[in-house]
Amino acid sequence: AQTVTQSQPEMSVQEAETVTLSCTYDTSESDYYLFWYKQPPSRQMILVIRQEAYKQQNATENRFSVNFQKAAKSFSLKISDSQLGDAAMYFCAYRQGGSEKLVFGKGTKLTVNP
Amino acid sequence: DTAVSQTPKYLVTQMGNDKSIKCEQNLGHDTMYWYKQDSKKFLKIMFSYNNKELIINETVPNRFSPKSPDKAHLNLHINSLELGDSAVYFCASSQDMAGGDTQYFGPGTRLTVL
Repeated sequence: AQTVTQSQPEMSVQEAETVTLSCTYDTSESDYYLFWYKQPPSRQMILVIRQEAYKQQNATENRFSVNFQKAAKSFSLKISDSQLGDAAMYFCAYRQGGSEKLVFGKGTKLTVNP
Repeated sequence: DTAVSQTPKYLVTQMGNDKSIKCEQNLGHDTMYWYKQDSKKFLKIMFSYNNKELIINETVPNRFSPKSPDKAHLNLHINSLELGDSAVYFCASSQDMAGGDTQYFGPGTRLTVL
């Protein structure tokens, strides 16, 4: 079974600085997709970024980018120029190609200090 | 316009009661899901439906019964509520069952069983 591991239960960053959240996953499949979701205190799950495993280029969405290392099965999220509104739980998730199931990591709580 | 909506947002009830949570999506998606987020923030899929047909049932107790009257709605009925059912329940939807399809989440329903 696929598993997703987020080794950092909590992280903190100063406003305007850069922070990287770690995620590793375990799979024997070659066709899969990876996601980062953000859950602020409002509880809403918001998609931050997604990556197709077949794409070598790292996905980028404004201040958010990923470092996708397929061989190492690593999918870290980099947040640049951190803002107070970035404070939230961040979940890494895996989805096998052709499968409906989204497998989540346990999350990393990010605090942004002013 | 809200893409995926759930009602109610909060539900407090006594052990042994029966309750329902409703979910509606206006995205025109074919697939809908129920996830459970426990007190440690761990998210796990419970059910998925595609075009009103049950696709995934993740060994959820049969006290939980999803019902999809049409593609845009997926309701969750819970019989004989137990203390351990206290959690946040998220509804989600995606265009289809393809692995790469992004799942969009509702705001969650916080269920508290006393």
